[in-house]
Amino acid sequence: EAQVTQNPRYLITVTGKKLTVTCSQNMNHEYMSWYRQDPGLGLRQIYYSMNVEVTDKGDVPEGYKVSRKEKRNFPLILESPSPNQTSLYFCASSFGLRGDWDTQYFGPGTRLTVL
Amino acid sequence: DQQVKQNSPSLSVQEGRISILNCDYTNSMFDYFLWYKKYPAEGPTFLISISSIKDKNEDGRFTVFLNKSAKHLSLHIVPSQPGDSAVYFCAAMRKNFGNEKLTFGTGTRLTIIP
Repeated sequence: EAQVTQNPRYLITVTGKKLTVTCSQNMNHEYMSWYRQDPGLGLRQIYYSMNVEVTDKGDVPEGYKVSRKEKRNFPLILESPSPNQTSLYFCASSFGLRGDWDTQYFGPGTRLTVL
Repeated sequence: DQQVKQNSPSLSVQEGRISILNCDYTNSMFDYFLWYKKYPAEGPTFLISISSIKDKNEDGRFTVFLNKSAKHLSLHIVPSQPGDSAVYFCAAMRKNFGNEKLTFGTGTRLTIIP
């Protein structure tokens, strides 16, 4: 089954404690992306990756890091989480390089709370 | 600066009637537009898209209209069904510029009343 998986689905942590949210896709997609969803602000892109070892900033990259060492994985790293990073996070993937945007798949989301 | 706006946070429609969801954008460089549907506790799923070279695209009960001069697009659902109750996001990108960034609107919560 084609899917994007994220772990963990729920996480409560404290300010400053480094954390990683994993994202994995099984569709051999080149393009992967991270979004956060906040009330009244919709979905905002954090980082995206066009392929292995190619990453670029989205609209709200501050406080986040990503890496793309393998095609299937695109972890989101919060080196020093702060309360304003409390949000619902989505990972997505698609054949972006082929312009195949109509097949962008989203993961189920990770709800993060930073105390 | 919200480049893609959905000014109606919520909309209620009687089952069987037409649902019309609206979306406005400010960036005239956007040339590809998409609608996503999101149920609670799930990620968004792609619904329908339209290129700026068209003014209408239809897929079953879903039709998207694009008015480039007004920088406005709308999603029509006819007839509306209870399973259509969800949050709908419009999104835009500069596809022909090789820019793979999607900019989303704030979403509209559609409730279909049985």
